Amino acid sequence: IAGITQAPTSQILAAGRRMTLRCTQDMRHNAMYWYRQDLGLGLRLIHYSNTAGTTGKGEVPDGYSVSRANTDDFPLTLASAVPSQTSVYFCASTPTSGSGSGELFFGEGSRLTVL
Amino acid sequence: GQNIDQPTEMTATEGAIVQINCTYQTSGFNGLFWYQQHAGEAPTFLSYNVLDGLEEKGRFSSFLSRSKGYSYLLLKELQMKDSASYLCAVRDRDYKLSFGAGTTVTVRA
Repeated sequence: IAGITQAPTSQILAAGRRMTLRCTQDMRHNAMYWYRQDLGLGLRLIHYSNTAGTTGKGEVPDGYSVSRANTDDFPLTLASAVPSQTSVYFCASTPTSGSGSGELFFGEGSRLTVL
Repeated sequence: GQNIDQPTEMTATEGAIVQINCTYQTSGFNGLFWYQQHAGEAPTFLSYNVLDGLEEKGRFSSFLSRSKGYSYLLLKELQMKDSASYLCAVRDRDYKLSFGAGTTVTVRA
């Protein structure tokens, strides 16, 4: 089934540890995004990539890094996790060309708890 | 950047109509989206407006006024399964989507 796959689904992590959230899509979408969702704050953009080889900072990029080596994969890394990074993380993608509306397609989310 | 406002909560009765308003301020408008999100799940796409006017999709309709920075999502013939959070989102010219905090709609029997 085509779509976006995130891993892990859920993780508990000790503060100070390094963590990479994986995101893979098989729809050949050129743009990909990482959001975090916190109660009362909605979805906030962390980093994005409009095409393979390029990345950009979103609204809340501090403490996170991304890479986009190819079209399909867009991993998000927390170099040294802190409790304020406890959140649900959503990866999303969209085609930025073509006749569609360009809506975002979301993965199922990764629930991260930093203790 | 974007500044997107929508009500926090709304409650309605099964079979009724509910209208969720969204106001926004943007530095480069390139479309407005509505998403539905059930608790514990990912957001799913509902509607898209880029020109002024009403877009209708079954029981759901979305309206946009670019000059007023205003949109609404209309849910008709409410069903219990419509209990969810509804997210207003604005896209900029770099194809980045900014989301409002969401409106939780509770449908009562």
